[in-house]
Order: sequence, then structure tokens, then C-alpha cells
Amino acid sequence: SAVISQKPSRDICQRGTSLTIQCQVDSQVTMMFWYRQQPGQSLTLIATANQGSEATYESGFVIDKFPISRPNLTFSTLTVSNMSPEDSSIYLCSVEGTSGRYNEQFFGPGTRLTVL
Amino acid sequence: AQKITQTQPGMFVQEKEAVTLDCTYDTSDPSYGLFWYKQPSSGEMIFLIYQGSYDQQNATEGRYSLNFQKARKSANLVISASQLGDSAMYFCAMRAPLLTGANSKLTFGKGITLSVRP
Repeated sequence: SAVISQKPSRDICQRGTSLTIQCQVDSQVTMMFWYRQQPGQSLTLIATANQGSEATYESGFVIDKFPISRPNLTFSTLTVSNMSPEDSSIYLCSVEGTSGRYNEQFFGPGTRLTVL
Repeated sequence: AQKITQTQPGMFVQEKEAVTLDCTYDTSDPSYGLFWYKQPSSGEMIFLIYQGSYDQQNATEGRYSLNFQKARKSANLVISASQLGDSAMYFCAMRAPLLTGANSKLTFGKGITLSVRP
């Protein structure tokens, strides 16, 4: 299994500011995924980050709002830009496992963001 | 398009009893994978169990088992001998087609809240 850490674990931010969330994996992975979970809701994929190329964004999410970096095979960042209270969510980083027996997808502990 | 449906309202179970959490899915891909995750109040997503569409037997992982009925497109999670620590939100998810890489995103259901009573 992959061990994933995220920073910060939680933050309270003011409207109009930006927050960068870091995701670190203990092994090299090809794809890293960023999900958002709004309060009381399910998880929604924001984008897929592949090392060395532009992230692929899902419908409803744009690079200007959620810029992503993927400088190497173990690290990625997601920035939530020009925040509004609607951005208050848990943001989760995820990677696929490499067990070979079946496909797995592991999640980091999440970043709980509150925007005032 | 892939769709996961979890319609049960909050579920309650007595400690040490078994409970079934329902999940139905829809996909046109013949190759897919079904996942169950547990999310306690801390927010982390804990992988519980996986079932592949071509797996011959129902998946089991400790106290967790998956009642996979392919023809009915259902993948219900069974938790045996419930414990107080099982109280959490449970999500069913699907990956279709079953490929690693950029197209292999997970689609999640809305989740079910399980409360275990002492």
C-alpha cells in the first residue's frame, strides 16, 4: 500500500485568498488524483496529475481556480485560488496502488478547508 | 457514463450484529472494479474491499465481505460482528473501464452513514 501525507491537515482562510495543499507519497506513482468533498457530500474528482505534463481537469473545474503542480513522481500540490465560502471542503489526494493483484486507490488523510 | 447509487438513509446496527450496506451501479463497460471505503469523522478515506467484474468469487477481507450480484448490478457490503469503531460514513465506488492511468478515475456514491449501538 502507499502511504500518503497531506499538508496542511486543516486551515481556516479568508475569502479572496489562496491556499496550496501539498501531497507527498512514499513511493513513486504515475498518477495522482485530487478530489473534493463538500460538506455532507460525496467525493468529486477535480483533476488528474501526471508528472511532467499538464493536469487533466474534470468538467466544472478549471486550472485558473485549481492550479496543480506535479514536479516529480512522489509529490503534488493543489492550489485553491481566490477562495469563497463555497470552497469549504475536504480536499483529498489519491494514488493508485501497485500491488499487481488488483487495482487499488489510496487516499491521503485530507485537508479540511474552511473559508470565511 | 458510470453511476453508483446508495439510497439507504442512516443505518443503525447493534454491536456484534451483522449489517448490509447497499450499492447498485450502472456501467456499459464489461471490465470494472467496485470499491468500498470507510470515512470516519476524521475525514480520511479507508479502503475496505475490492471486487472485480471478472472475479469468480465474492471478495472477503476480515469482517468485510462483498455480496456481488453481477446480473442485478449490485455490490452490497456486509460487515459482520459490528464494532463501535465501525460507526462512519461508507462509500461505494466504481472504476470503469478497469484501467490504470488517467482514465481510471473512481466514481463515488453519495455514501451511507452507519451508527453502531452498544
